[in-house]
Amino acid sequence: GAGVSQSPRYKVAKRGQDVALRCDPISGHVSLFWYQQALGQGPEFLTYFQNEAQLDKSGLPSDRFFAERPEGSVSTLKIQRTQQEDSAVYLCASSTPILTSGGTGELFFGEGSRLTVL
Amino acid sequence: AQSVTQLGSHVSVSEGALVLLRCNYSSSVPPYLFWYVQYPNQGLQLLLKYTSAATLVKGINGFEAEFKKSETSFHLTKPSAHMSDAAEYFCAVRGVSSGSARQLTFGSGTQLTVLP
Repeated sequence: GAGVSQSPRYKVAKRGQDVALRCDPISGHVSLFWYQQALGQGPEFLTYFQNEAQLDKSGLPSDRFFAERPEGSVSTLKIQRTQQEDSAVYLCASSTPILTSGGTGELFFGEGSRLTVL
Repeated sequence: AQSVTQLGSHVSVSEGALVLLRCNYSSSVPPYLFWYVQYPNQGLQLLLKYTSAATLVKGINGFEAEFKKSETSFHLTKPSAHMSDAAEYFCAVRGVSSGSARQLTFGSGTQLTVLP
């Protein structure tokens, strides 16, 4: 597709439910990032993939959060046993490798998935 | 580790007035710096980026920013505000040296209000 696509755009979950958020990056972008944006805050880094390899997951807030990108394209962020503090917008972004020829360092963002946990 | 600080969580200007949004960075080496804009219920859109070429960077919608190494600053300006500029603005930094983190690190954002 032309841009980063995320689904669902809106998700309401009851506390304790599991949720899965999907990200379809720009075709050819090997780098994929997940961010969490709480209301009124800047995006906070969660995890980073280069192709199918998860190179950095230092931002995942707990072991209830899990991300995968098995074929190096579409990625899924899964949150198990959701809690109210998980309510946020989850942003996905993709980019070309920063140090390769033509790499600009720019991240292209999707519109986000807004999760509300009741 | 790199970080950015945005001074002023809320800025109000009159339509037609100068817009100045402040950003200071902390990095051991000159990083890549970015300004993104976010409209309500939307993702982030790139306004402009500094990647060690020209220190004065021009972006979309009439915005520009100047990289000042001596002041570790990357302030965003626009000579004349338009009502459509009302949005949340985020400054971000990305490490470029080997071993540095590859993700963007964002500031806390500045909400710009444009008054008629």
